[in-house]
Amino acid sequence: DQQVKQNSPSLSVQEGRISILNCDYTNSMFDYFLWYKKYPAEGPTFLISISSIKDKNEDGRFTVFLNKSAKHLSLHIVPSQPGDSAVYFCAAKVGGGTSYGKLTFGQGTILTVHP
Amino acid sequence: GAVVSQHPSRVICKSGTSVKIECRSLDFQATTMFWYRQFPKKSLMLMATSNEGSKATYEQGVEKDKFLINHASLTLSTLTVTSAHPEDSSFYICSAREGLYEQYFGPGTRLTVT
Repeated sequence: DQQVKQNSPSLSVQEGRISILNCDYTNSMFDYFLWYKKYPAEGPTFLISISSIKDKNEDGRFTVFLNKSAKHLSLHIVPSQPGDSAVYFCAAKVGGGTSYGKLTFGQGTILTVHP
Repeated sequence: GAVVSQHPSRVICKSGTSVKIECRSLDFQATTMFWYRQFPKKSLMLMATSNEGSKATYEQGVEKDKFLINHASLTLSTLTVTSAHPEDSSFYICSAREGLYEQYFGPGTRLTVT
């Protein structure tokens, strides 16, 4: 039972354009969401997060949007850069950001940004 | 940011042997460590959660006698794959957390069982 789903296995974007990565979840108990970036043969690194009490969180080029009614979140990267090329995982947890809840990951989306 | 290391980064072993993977938090005390497994083109699947000094909590479907986890100190956790078989070949990633703070991931270990 995949509680967090990233239905697009890959995304290709031109440098300078916007990258939009999508994530859907089924568990209504999830109340904290995170995005991680992963390069090959490396562990994931934290990018940005959002609490369920918000619908948007912005950090530089990265913005995460949360639509609780649709159980959907998205990560926007603008402008996209070749160095953003990586696998992006969304993850969700129960109990808020500072909780002992475990992370449930999506399958990941491979982003390729072309120069 | 906090640094988590894993050793080895890559290991090849023969079927039936055991392999130990180490996970270390280099600049913080990891009260909790997590072990994940990633299959090709799949999400990271949590295998177990370990708190320093206590027994690991395994996720449903993960054999605790096959995947032995030890978290003997605040900076080190080990995962031992016992009597490894080819189906155990995978990418194993640990993460560490100090208290309720963010999880930091290690670089992963590629295990190949021949």
